[in-house]
Formats: sequence, structure tokens, C-alpha cells
Amino acid sequence: GAGVSQSPRYKVAKRGQDVALRCDPISGHVSLFWYQQALGQGPEFLTYFQNEAQLDKSGLPSDRFFAERPEGSVSTLKIQRTQQEDSAVYLCASSGQGAYEQYFGPGTRLTVT
Amino acid sequence: SQQGEEDPQALSIQEGENATMNCSYKTSINNLQWYRQNSGRGLVHLILIRSNEREKHSGRLRVTLDTSKKSSSLLITASRAADTASYFCAHPPLRGGYQKVTFGTGTKLQVIP
Repeated sequence: GAGVSQSPRYKVAKRGQDVALRCDPISGHVSLFWYQQALGQGPEFLTYFQNEAQLDKSGLPSDRFFAERPEGSVSTLKIQRTQQEDSAVYLCASSGQGAYEQYFGPGTRLTVT
Repeated sequence: SQQGEEDPQALSIQEGENATMNCSYKTSINNLQWYRQNSGRGLVHLILIRSNEREKHSGRLRVTLDTSKKSSSLLITASRAADTASYFCAHPPLRGGYQKVTFGTGTKLQVIP
């Protein structure tokens, strides 16, 4: 079966541009997570969905960050008016009902110039 | 901000040697997980140990947990070049569900053939 996929794998944006990052979780996984990983650091939690409900968005760094999962499957992380400090790898993960183990996608490397 | 710390930050060993990395955390937990991240396979879940367990094995991996010291260790025996990766400990909150996993800063392991 397919794992978690993310697109694009690489994105270069000019400062001030809006970007949208897509995550396709493993089919049937109810939980979906977004993380931000800076170079040389561990992933930092951004937000969590259970099906289509966004239950925790406490990790989103500013109101420029917005995530959605309208049908409880595919999710999009949108960053408005990108800044240089937004440059990072954005990881998506999914997990099954009641499971602790998370399955990660390959990530999207965002570079803001 | 990340709550866990791995030690050492970097480790270089010869193939066939054992590698030990440690993790300290700050809050009470009900389980602790170890993940591996390399460029080839991304971030992959390795093993989970529950708070009522002191030791757990999986293949060449051995994990210990000391909740009184809020620390865990990961031992990789008979290391291989393919074990070269960054290793992270991670844990969900004790209360409020399992969604907001906190990752440590990681140990970068290099296994020299």
C-alpha cells in the first residue's frame, strides 16, 4: 500500500508569496499531523486533525499559517506572505485510530528567498 | 519549543560496534518513541516503550526507560552502515490524547564501513 505522500517535494518562494503544501495520508488513517523541521533540529508540531476536525493548532507560528482537511483525507498547509524564517522542511504524518505510531511523508522543503 | 534532548548530538562509530544514544524529557509521559531519519527513507518509527516498561527489544534495537530520571536510551547493536541516520526520541502528552508528539533534538549517528 502507498505511504504518506507530499507535494511538491521542493518549493522556492519569493518573500511575500503565498504557498500551498499538500499531504495525502495513508488511506483510512483518521489522524493527520503537520510538523515543521528546521535544519539540524527535530520536527516541531504545527497542527493536528482527526478526520476533518482540526483539534489542535497550537503549534502554528502565526496567523499566516493555515491548514485544512475538508473531507477528512487530503490536507493542505497554506502559508501566506512567506517570510525567510518560514524556510524549513514541512512534514506530514498520519496514524490510525487509537495508534501512537505515526507514518511520515518525505516532506516539502520550502526555501523563501 | 522542543522539550526533549538527545545526547550525544553526534556519534561516529565503526561498523560492527554498538551505538548508544540517550534522551531526556521534561514532562510525565505514558509512552516514549524512537524514530530514525535519513535521506533515503525519511522519518520512520522504530520502537515504542510504555511508561510501565523498563526495557524493550526489537531486532538489534534495545530501548530502556527510567521514568524516575525522565530518561531513555536506545542501543543499536552490531551497527551497519545503513544505520547512519539521525535518531529522535518523541513522546505524546500524558493527558489530552496522543496527538501532540514532542520530538527531541536528535542524535546524528555515522557508522563507518
